[in-house]
This record gives sequence, structure tokens and C-alpha cells, in this order.
Amino acid sequence: KAGVTQTPRYLIKTRGQQVTLSCSPISGHRSVSWYQQTPGQGLQFLFEYFSETQRNKGNFPGRFSGRQFSNSRSEMNVSTLELGDSALYLCATSNYGDSPLHFGNGTRLTVT
Amino acid sequence: EDKVVQSPLSLVVHEGDTVTLNCSYEVTNFRSLLWYKQEKKAPTFLFMLTSSGIEKKSGRLSSILDKKELSSILNITATQTGDSAIYLCAVEGPRGGGSNYKLTFGKGTLLTVNP
Repeated sequence: KAGVTQTPRYLIKTRGQQVTLSCSPISGHRSVSWYQQTPGQGLQFLFEYFSETQRNKGNFPGRFSGRQFSNSRSEMNVSTLELGDSALYLCATSNYGDSPLHFGNGTRLTVT
Repeated sequence: EDKVVQSPLSLVVHEGDTVTLNCSYEVTNFRSLLWYKQEKKAPTFLFMLTSSGIEKKSGRLSSILDKKELSSILNITATQTGDSAIYLCAVEGPRGGGSNYKLTFGKGTLLTVNP
């Protein structure tokens, strides 16, 4: 069974630009969550999608947004990039119930 | 606001040593506590704990939850260099209708096992 797939693996952007990251869940997983990981703050919850609807949202500004498609694939978008947005962005999926989250390898975003 | 605190933040041991990693939490309406191991990129799942006092084991790793003390420990016996990683503890609160799956993570414990 293929794992959680995130693309691209690495991104370098400049301040003010926008970026879109993609996540393909494990087959059968319908819940997709996004987390930001930085050395100072650790892993922080961004948002969660289930059945194409955002079900929960973390404490991030409106520049961070996402969506989920009917095949459960998800994208997150960050607009007007700031230096502080440099981080590892991790996608995690679950088939709900009592199963744990399974993480992808992440997208390393560097903002210069 | 939910909170997870892990200790120690870092630990250096020699191969063969036994280590105990700690996790304490404050969460509204606790649902589960999870341990993950992160080596390079993706955190990989180790254990999910929901009931107090029941030990979960996988090879040399084991974990137990104490709901009274709002804490959990992760034990690794006979450590190997391959155990070197960041160990993350996370807690989940209640889920609403549909899903609502949200984990609150601790900062992690960086374990280094030297040969």
C-alpha cells in the first residue's frame, strides 16, 4: 500500500510570492491534516479536511488556506510569503475511526 | 489551550543503555495519546494509548499511559544507533461530527545513541 505522498519535496520562494503544496493520501484515507514544523515551535496544526470540508483549523493567519478534492487529495496554499513561513510542511492522513495519523515526508519550503 | 510537554529535550546514551522518555499533557476531553519517531522527514507511528495502565509493546519499545497523572512514558531497552531520532508525543482531544482530527504535539525529545 503506497504511503502518503507529498509534492514537491523542496521549494524555494521569495517573499511576497505564493505557493501551493500537494498531498495524496493513503488509499481509503479520507481525513487529511496539515502541520507546520519549525525548530522553534515544533509541529503545529494548520487544518484538517474530511469529505471536502474543512473540519478544524489551527491558529494561523488567513494567508494559509487549503482544500480537498473528491478523491481525498488535498492542497494547501500560502499567499504573500514571509520569511517566517520557512518550514517543513507535513501532510497526515487517516481513515478516521480509531486509526492514527500517517505522515508524508513533507515539503521543505524556504522563503528568501 | 491544549498543551504537551516532553522531557528531556535531548538525551545522549551509549548503545545498550535503557532510556525513558516522558510526556505530560493538559487537554480538554482527552481522547488518545500517540508516540511518533522522526528520523529524517516523516514522523512514523509507534503507539496509540487510550486506556490508563495498559502497556503497549513493540520489540524493545514500550509505552504506558497514566490518566491520573496526565502523563505517559516511552521506554527503549538495549538501545541501538538506529534508535537515534526525535521522539514526538501528541495528544488528541474530542472529535466533532464528521472528523475534527487534531493533534497537539510536544517539542520532542532528541535521542542520540552512540556506539
